[in-house]
Amino acid sequence: AQSVAQPEDQVNVAEGNPLTVKCTYSVSGNPYLFWYVQYPNRGLQFLLKYITGDNLVKGSYGFEAEFNKSQTSFHLKKPSALVSDSALYFCAAYNAGNMLTFGGGTRLMVKP
Amino acid sequence: GAVVSQHPSWVICKSGTSVKIECRSLDFQATTMFWYRQFPKQSLMLMATSNEGSKATYEQGVEKDKFLINHASLTLSTLTVTSAHPEDSSFYICSAETGLWETQYFGPGTRLLVL
Repeated sequence: AQSVAQPEDQVNVAEGNPLTVKCTYSVSGNPYLFWYVQYPNRGLQFLLKYITGDNLVKGSYGFEAEFNKSQTSFHLKKPSALVSDSALYFCAAYNAGNMLTFGGGTRLMVKP
Repeated sequence: GAVVSQHPSWVICKSGTSVKIECRSLDFQATTMFWYRQFPKQSLMLMATSNEGSKATYEQGVEKDKFLINHASLTLSTLTVTSAHPEDSSFYICSAETGLWETQYFGPGTRLLVL
């Protein structure tokens, strides 16, 4: 069965420090991978996606993610965190023929 | 950027009644719209995919007779929760995309509480 894991319920980081939000997936074949963000009192927003090509994908708001096939990971990263990055982040994976599966979400808290 | 609206933003209803939730793409035509359910632990589940003018494709485990989806036009999809029960209480989110695996634009969500 297809699954997406976000092993950390919450990530705490100081403003200005680099951040990483982890995601691993279990999908047969070549997966399509996505990151979404949900800010407080707002709907989900698309951040970035990996379909094919360069393993390093750049997205909105300075975020990037690296597709690592051998480790089946798609970690979300940002070189310098902002307080305004505090939100709930979802990783998702899709494989043709299967449902779009979301991870459980990771709450990012960036402290001043 | 592209905007997706949902109406209502929240609704409270009695058990046994039906509730309709609308999802509209305000400034673009959406070839495909998706309906998600967000559970209390905040994980998301894709319920169904709808394409304009055709029947929705439901994910495994989602009752199509309970969650009726109508994609009436390229800018409107509706989700009707029929004979709602307390266990249907949840946060329902729709999204829309302009092409296969193009960026998905999400609505603000609808919180449903069934008493």
